Amino acid sequence: GDSVTQMEGPVTLSEEAFLTINCTYTATGYPSLFWYVQYPGEGLQLLLKATKADDKGSNKGFEATYRKETTSFHLEKGSVQVSDSAVYFCALNQAGTALIFGKGTTLSVSS
Amino acid sequence: GAVVSQHPSRVICKSGTSVKIECRSLDFQATTMFWYRQFPKQSLMLMATSNEGSKATYEQGVEKDKFLINHASLTLSTLTVTSAHPEDSSFYICSARVGLTNYGYTFGSGTRLTVV
Repeated sequence: GDSVTQMEGPVTLSEEAFLTINCTYTATGYPSLFWYVQYPGEGLQLLLKATKADDKGSNKGFEATYRKETTSFHLEKGSVQVSDSAVYFCALNQAGTALIFGKGTTLSVSS
Repeated sequence: GAVVSQHPSRVICKSGTSVKIECRSLDFQATTMFWYRQFPKQSLMLMATSNEGSKATYEQGVEKDKFLINHASLTLSTLTVTSAHPEDSSFYICSARVGLTNYGYTFGSGTRLTVV
């Protein structure tokens, strides 16, 4: 079945450092891809999405490009802030079915 | 818009008792609701999919008699953990599909269940 693999955390960075969180997927067909963020004690929030190959999702300085040839959707941000500390989940779905999530990557940013 | 309100946010119960978790869509009609369980430092595992007015579809390995899901209206879905045991302690999250697109999903804020 479909699955998502993302890099193990935690990722610890200093403020203003560059962030990459790797995500690869296995799926039949052409899934939609997502990044969700979960702040401490809160539910999940959609960070960005891409619905077809070569699409770039972006939001709040975060970006990810849907790469069909490498089945990847890596999350990047040029300069992280302390407020970006959270757990990030890569996810996919197809045709309105439930989202399938990766295991999540904890990001900790220090000032 | 597209807010799902989940209650309670935290609950502690004794072994053997039942706990009900509610998810309400506040400003839209949730035809389909998904229930997830999240273990510490792990991903969200889909437990079941419920469609309004129909029986829920459970994922393999999820006990339907233990985790009762009801989706009787377009704005309310409930998950009842029956005869709870300590191993049922977890974080439970509901999610609703918004509209008919493939990417409109909104999540409740989650319920931390602790069974003692």
